[in-house]
Amino acid sequence: SQQGEEDPQALSIQEGENATMNCSYKTSINNLQWYRQNSGRGLVHLILIRSNEREKHSGRLRVTLDTSKKSSSLLITASRAADTASYFCAHLIQGAQKLVFGQGTRLTINP
Amino acid sequence: EADIYQTPRYLVIGTGKKITLECSQTMGHDKMYWYQQDPGMELHLIHYSYGVNSTEKGDLSSESTVSRIRTEHFPLTLESARPSHTSQYLCASSETTVSNEKLFFGSGTQLSVL
Repeated sequence: SQQGEEDPQALSIQEGENATMNCSYKTSINNLQWYRQNSGRGLVHLILIRSNEREKHSGRLRVTLDTSKKSSSLLITASRAADTASYFCAHLIQGAQKLVFGQGTRLTINP
Repeated sequence: EADIYQTPRYLVIGTGKKITLECSQTMGHDKMYWYQQDPGMELHLIHYSYGVNSTEKGDLSSESTVSRIRTEHFPLTLESARPSHTSQYLCASSETTVSNEKLFFGSGTQLSVL
């Protein structure tokens, strides 16, 4: 299977704390992306990191990529209740034209 | 906010009915996709299209069919719905640049087959 894996499957933290989610994949990639999904809705693109990049920031989001370990992490700093959602990583396999999604991490921010 | 729309938002039908899930985008994207997602689970690609008159089956076997007669429209049809088809169906589109394969998603159709 080319599916990625995410860890943890579920994460519950207090508002203001930082949340870290991890993603692993199995093949060589062109890029890796993170998406957010609110309950019962479609996904929203958060950030894209290319295979030649190691770290990227967007507001309170920080993404790292380690191609030698075939892994990525998403850090959300100073979490808010509105950050409660499922977060998915997706990778574009080299030579392919499709994104492969992980299983997602369900993040709950407690007020 | 993405300009990609799915209708209906919710659909409850009986077994054996034929249904069509609609998906339209106004961004002029050539690439469009259908994903199936069970609650709390990963997305599975069931169909995709790289342009008009181009359709391909995805990674997950599906009894549905799709058509792409116009760039902006990518409907999905189930000829005879079964309870096993109960799921959320997500439509997405993307620009043609492979290195920037960011997907824009619709809000999804939650299908329940009784």
